[in-house]
Amino acid sequence: EVVMTQSPLSLPVTLGQPASISCRSSQSLVYSDGNTYLIWFHQRPGQSPRRLIYKVSNRDSGVPDRFSGSGSGSDFTLKISSVEAEDVGVYYCMQGAHWPRTFGQGTRVEIK
Amino acid sequence: VQLVESGGGLVQPGGSLRLSCAASGFNLSSYAMHWVRQAPGKGLEWVSVISYDGDIKYYVDSVKGRFTISRDNAKNTLYLQMNSLRPEDTAVYYCARGEGGMTTVTTDYWGQGTLVTVSS
Repeated sequence: EVVMTQSPLSLPVTLGQPASISCRSSQSLVYSDGNTYLIWFHQRPGQSPRRLIYKVSNRDSGVPDRFSGSGSGSDFTLKISSVEAEDVGVYYCMQGAHWPRTFGQGTRVEIK
Repeated sequence: VQLVESGGGLVQPGGSLRLSCAASGFNLSSYAMHWVRQAPGKGLEWVSVISYDGDIKYYVDSVKGRFTISRDNAKNTLYLQMNSLRPEDTAVYYCARGEGGMTTVTTDYWGQGTLVTVSS
């Protein structure tokens, strides 16, 4: 099983400041088709997860451009350029290159 | 895209439950579908996936032999039959639409979830 390790697990941020979350996988997420299957989700309190980013760096429709994903192989980062109040909640990475699918532990973002 | 789960509730250890996920707003028969669960206050755990035609199914080891995923495309519904339930199966169960080919299928849209509580 591929282990997904996120850091930090808790991230207090100031409104308007940047934030960065790391996700590392125990195996490469590059599939034989050349694509890298790493996804980022955001879960607000009391809600279901919403996908933000797919294949490392592709933003979903409607996702603000302050969110960006980067990385390669087994080392990935989600960045928020300027945190807004609606960005609070838990962020998860998920891999789609190996069975079973696995998630990171989650990173809780809160406003200072 | 709308996914609405139902069928959750309180069940005793060793009991059974069948979850349903009603899909609308897209052609269910063209998509693989997943179940993902979240224990109270915990993170996300992928449970199972089924191909668009029901021919291919994968499960996480902890539910193999106890849970069965299935679908009825004519009824636009996904199912999860859960047998021999254990307290550690207590969680909110989400259905999620699959995206991509079956070998690298991930998820895009999720339902709101249904709570399963296994307790005596």
